[in-house]
Amino acid sequence: EAGVAQSPRYKIIEKRQSVAFWCNPISGHATLYWYQQILGQGPKLLIQFQNNGVVDDSQLPKDRFSAERLKGVDSTLKIQPAKLEDSAVYLCASSLLSSGSSTDTQYFGPGTRLTVL
Amino acid sequence: AQSVTQLDSQVPVFEEAPVELRCNYSSSVSVYLFWYVQYPNQGLQLLLKYLSGSTLVESINGFEAEFNKSQTSFHLRKPSVHISDTAEYFCAVIFSGGYNKLIFGAGTRLAVHP
Repeated sequence: EAGVAQSPRYKIIEKRQSVAFWCNPISGHATLYWYQQILGQGPKLLIQFQNNGVVDDSQLPKDRFSAERLKGVDSTLKIQPAKLEDSAVYLCASSLLSSGSSTDTQYFGPGTRLTVL
Repeated sequence: AQSVTQLDSQVPVFEEAPVELRCNYSSSVSVYLFWYVQYPNQGLQLLLKYLSGSTLVESINGFEAEFNKSQTSFHLRKPSVHISDTAEYFCAVIFSGGYNKLIFGAGTRLAVHP
């Protein structure tokens, strides 16, 4: 079974530029998550989709971050414009159930390392 | 407030020695508890989890963790570590009603030396 795929693996941009990350979850997984992992910290949930609807985006900086999951499969996360403090690893995860069960295991992709200069 | 604390940012240990990585949480509701491991240049992998039942849970590679409700802890232990256990370990919690939202600790870097 293929895992969660993310691209690109690395990205370096100047501040005020825009950037987009792509995630392809495990086939059949209804729920998709985007996390931000700043160096020295644990991952922090940015947004959670169930199929193509948003379940939780309470920690997404909506003035600069946006995410979509068209057709309930792939997802893109965009930052526009980027700030220095956005330098982090962006992790995508997926889980199987659409019911939002708290016991549903999340499977993580390898992440995209973003450096903002 | 609901939070997760990993008390040690780094734990150096010699090969074949025992190790304990500490995790405490703060919550007024019931919890589900997880340990994830991140090997160098790889994604997060689930190591073990406590959902209900026996408070002692084990992984396939010799790690175990015990849920202690009175101490609000979920410490990770291994009686004898290997070089290959060198990685970052994250404790994570889903608070009841949290709709599968993982709250992570800051992580503990385990460095196993020969």
